[in-house]
Amino acid sequence: GNSVTQMEGPVTLSEEAFLTINCTYTATGYPSLFWYVQYPGEGLQLLLKATKADDKGSNKGFEATYRKETTSFHLEKGSVQVSDSAVYFCALRGYSTLTFGKGTMLLVSP
Amino acid sequence: SQTIHQWPATLVQPVGSPLSLECTVEGTSNPNLYWYRQAAGRGLQLLFYSVGIGQISSEVPQNLSASRPQDRQFILSSKKLLLSDSGFYLCAWSSERNYGYTFGSGTRLTVV
Repeated sequence: GNSVTQMEGPVTLSEEAFLTINCTYTATGYPSLFWYVQYPGEGLQLLLKATKADDKGSNKGFEATYRKETTSFHLEKGSVQVSDSAVYFCALRGYSTLTFGKGTMLLVSP
Repeated sequence: SQTIHQWPATLVQPVGSPLSLECTVEGTSNPNLYWYRQAAGRGLQLLFYSVGIGQISSEVPQNLSASRPQDRQFILSSKKLLLSDSGFYLCAWSSERNYGYTFGSGTRLTVV
């Protein structure tokens, strides 16, 4: 079946540091890939997506590239802000439902 | 534009009491609807999904049930809550055009 593996958190960074959150997946066929963000006490918001190999999703300074050869979709941001502190979920969509990773908490200090 | 509403935002219920959480979607027709649970410190677990009125797929055996009485209404229920039912419950919808999911703001359920 489909599965998503994310790096364990929390990831603790200082403001303006470079961020990478690793995500790898196992799936049959050609899934679409997503990153969601969850701020404290809130639901999930779609951050970015990629629907085919080599696509790059980007939003709010975050980027992720769909790498079929390495089955990865790592999230990156060049300079994080305190307001980026949240939990980030990598997900894939196969035929009908989304499969999520366990989430990675990001803590950014001033 | 499409919106999703989920209520209540927080709920404290005693063990053995019933549960009813409601989710409605506006601005679209025939959405796919989903219930997820997020336990403390854990990831998201898909509980139920529905592709149409009266069509419910259950992903995990448990004492919860779901119903879809109307096209844009999705209800999560339990006859008798357990302590282990505590968690953050999220409703979501998707369509062919909205390939990702749009989530509601969630319900924080504490069973005491």
